[in-house]
Amino acid sequence: GAVVSQHPSWVICKSGTSVKIECRSLDFQATTMFWYRQFPKQSLMLMATSNEGSKATYEQGVEKDKFLINHASLTLSTLTVTSAHPEDSSFYICSADRDGNSNQPQHFGDGTRLSIL
Amino acid sequence: ILNVEQSPQSLHVQEGDSTNFTCSFPSSNFYALHWYRWETAKSPEALFVMTLNGDEKKKGRISATLNTKEGYSYLYIKGSQPEDSATYLCARGGTSYGKLTFGQGTILTVHP
Repeated sequence: GAVVSQHPSWVICKSGTSVKIECRSLDFQATTMFWYRQFPKQSLMLMATSNEGSKATYEQGVEKDKFLINHASLTLSTLTVTSAHPEDSSFYICSADRDGNSNQPQHFGDGTRLSIL
Repeated sequence: ILNVEQSPQSLHVQEGDSTNFTCSFPSSNFYALHWYRWETAKSPEALFVMTLNGDEKKKGRISATLNTKEGYSYLYIKGSQPEDSATYLCARGGTSYGKLTFGQGTILTVHP
């Protein structure tokens, strides 16, 4: 149980393109979903916390107009990187939990490798 | 300690060896400590979530301890196997609201 699907797993696109990444909880309802970014040899950095039906909460330094997050249902959250540039190239990964409480494990997708040319 | 720090960064052991690594974290406003195993091309898999000082948890050959007063957790693997090769991540929760701060991970390679 507790399977999270993330799609696509790999994206290569030209500078200026907008890219949408989907994160789905397949067998449970996710009250809260989290979006992380990982640069080479660095830790997973939380970008934003997404709650169903409300606006995402962004971490300091993360541009909300650049990284649009939508959590339209209890099983789907999307991250759109708008007008992506080479510096946005990174590994993006989502996670979900059932009740938004940090005493419960998070369930991760497989991640998306984004390369902007 | 301001951030979550893991040591060592990488570790090579022989099959059958027992090993351990460390996660250090800010002890103030502590809520929970998570350990995940992350194999290449897969998603991170939860191993343990610990909340109480002195907590010890065990899952097969893997166990973990927690000291919230001094801000550290140890992960132990007994009799390492090649399939234990992975990156082991720890993460600290500072509130009840699910937000985690991750360490950089320890990359474990177990040689047959």
